[in-house]
Amino acid sequence: RKEVEQDPGPFNVPEGATVAFNCTYSNSASQSFFWYRQDCRKEPKLLMSVYSSGNEDGRFTAQLNRASQYISLLIRDSKLSDSATYLCVVGSGTSYGKLTFGQGTILTVHP
Amino acid sequence: DTAVSQTPKYLVTQMGNDKSIKCEQNLGHDTMYWYKQDSKKFLKIMFSYNNKELIINETVPNRFSPKSPDKAHLNLHINSLELGDSAVYFCASSQLASEMPLSFGQGTRLTVV
Repeated sequence: RKEVEQDPGPFNVPEGATVAFNCTYSNSASQSFFWYRQDCRKEPKLLMSVYSSGNEDGRFTAQLNRASQYISLLIRDSKLSDSATYLCVVGSGTSYGKLTFGQGTILTVHP
Repeated sequence: DTAVSQTPKYLVTQMGNDKSIKCEQNLGHDTMYWYKQDSKKFLKIMFSYNNKELIINETVPNRFSPKSPDKAHLNLHINSLELGDSAVYFCASSQLASEMPLSFGQGTRLTVV
C-alpha cells in the first residue's frame, strides 16, 4: 500500500458544482495532515490543515477519519479558479518533520 | 519580498556536468528542505536541514550534496548529472522541524540532455 494514495482524476466539473476528493494513508502514527494546491508549473501552496474535528475555510471543508485512515476535501460552489491539482499531505508521526505527498488529484472546473 | 526564492528557475545542461541550485528564505524559519517532483508529479523529500544540521537524508544518490551555510540558505549541488535527474526541484522551509506547513520556492526545472 502506498504511503499516501489519491485518485489522480481528472475530475471535470461545471462551475457551481460540489466536488469531493479522498485520500488514504498507511501510517497509523501520522498526526499531521494537510491539503495543498498546485497550479500548472507552479509551486505547491498550502490550502488548509486538517484537524481531527474537521474544519472549514469558506467553500472548502476538510475531514479526517483516523479509524479508516483517510482524509477528504470538499469544495462547494466550484469556481473556474479552483482548477488545479490538489495534493494530500501526511506527516510521518516523527519529530523531524517528514511530510509525504500524494500524487495529487487534478480538478478542472469548466463554464 | 519573496519568502522562499531559488535560482535558477530553469536549468538545461548536458549529462556529466556538475550544477548547483541555490535557495534562500526570509521567513525566519528554522528548517529547510529539498523536494524533487518527477514527471509523474510525485513530490518526494530529499533532504532537510534544521539550523544548518542535516536531519533528513532520504535514499538519494551521493551525487547530490546539500549545503547549508546558515539557516536561511540551503543549496543543492549535483555532480555528474544523469538523464534521470531531470525533474523540478523545490526548496521549502517551515518554522520548526515538526511537520509544520511548508512554504515552497517557485521550483527549478532541471533538464539533462
